[in-house]
Amino acid sequence: GAGVSQSPSNKVTEKGKDVELRCDPISGHTALYWYRQSLGQGLEFLIYFQGNSAPDKSGLPSDRFSAERTGGSVSTLTIQRTQQEDSAVYLCASKNGQKLFFGSGTQLSVL
Amino acid sequence: GESVGLHLPTLSVQEGDNSIINCAYSNSASDYFIWYKQESGKGPQFIIDIRSNMDKRQGQRVTVLLNKTVKHLSLQIAATQPGDSAVYFCAENGVVYSGGYQKVTFGTGTKLQVIP
Repeated sequence: GAGVSQSPSNKVTEKGKDVELRCDPISGHTALYWYRQSLGQGLEFLIYFQGNSAPDKSGLPSDRFSAERTGGSVSTLTIQRTQQEDSAVYLCASKNGQKLFFGSGTQLSVL
Repeated sequence: GESVGLHLPTLSVQEGDNSIINCAYSNSASDYFIWYKQESGKGPQFIIDIRSNMDKRQGQRVTVLLNKTVKHLSLQIAATQPGDSAVYFCAENGVVYSGGYQKVTFGTGTKLQVIP
C-alpha cells in the first residue's frame, strides 16, 4: 500500500488474554519502529528493527511484550497476559532516510 | 539519559496569530531534529526537519529554529489556522551505530488549540 498499515484499528480484550498487533510497513523501508502512546502522553519507544540485524528491544516494558518481523517486512507485536496498564495506542512506523512514516495505530483497551 | 522534553503541554492561539512551540533536548551528540504533527486519531506526520549545522529552516508557514548552545528547538507557525490544531512533537534522531541503528526519541508533545 501507499502508507504504513496497522491492524486491527481497535482491540478490546479481557485482562489476562494475549493480543497480537500487526504492522505492514511501506515497501522498501528497512527500519521499523514500535511506539506506545498512553492517553494524553508522548511516544514511548518499544522496539526497533533494522534490516536483518537483531532488533533493539531496550524499550519493551516487560517480558510479556515481544515482537517479530518476518521477511524484513510485516511486524507483529505480541502482548501476553494483558494488564489494564497496557491500554494505549500502539503506533508502528517505518523509516526512509531520517523521516518516520507512521500508521494510524491500534487502540488497545484491556478490561 | 537521553531525553527530549517540551516546556508547554497546551498552547491556545487565536486564529491568524503566530504560534511558537518549544522543545528542549539533552543529547548534544544528536545532529538531526524533526517536528511531527499528530491529528486526532492519526499517527504523527512529518512537518519539517533541521540538521545541527543549521540554526534556522523555513517551510510553508512553518519555521524551525535550533539553538545548540542551550539545546533548544522551536517550531513557529505563521498565521495559525484551525487546521493547525493538533499535538506537535519534537523528535531527536540519535547517533547512527554500526548496522544502521538509530534510535528516535520523542518529546512529550504540545497540544495546539486554535481559537476561531
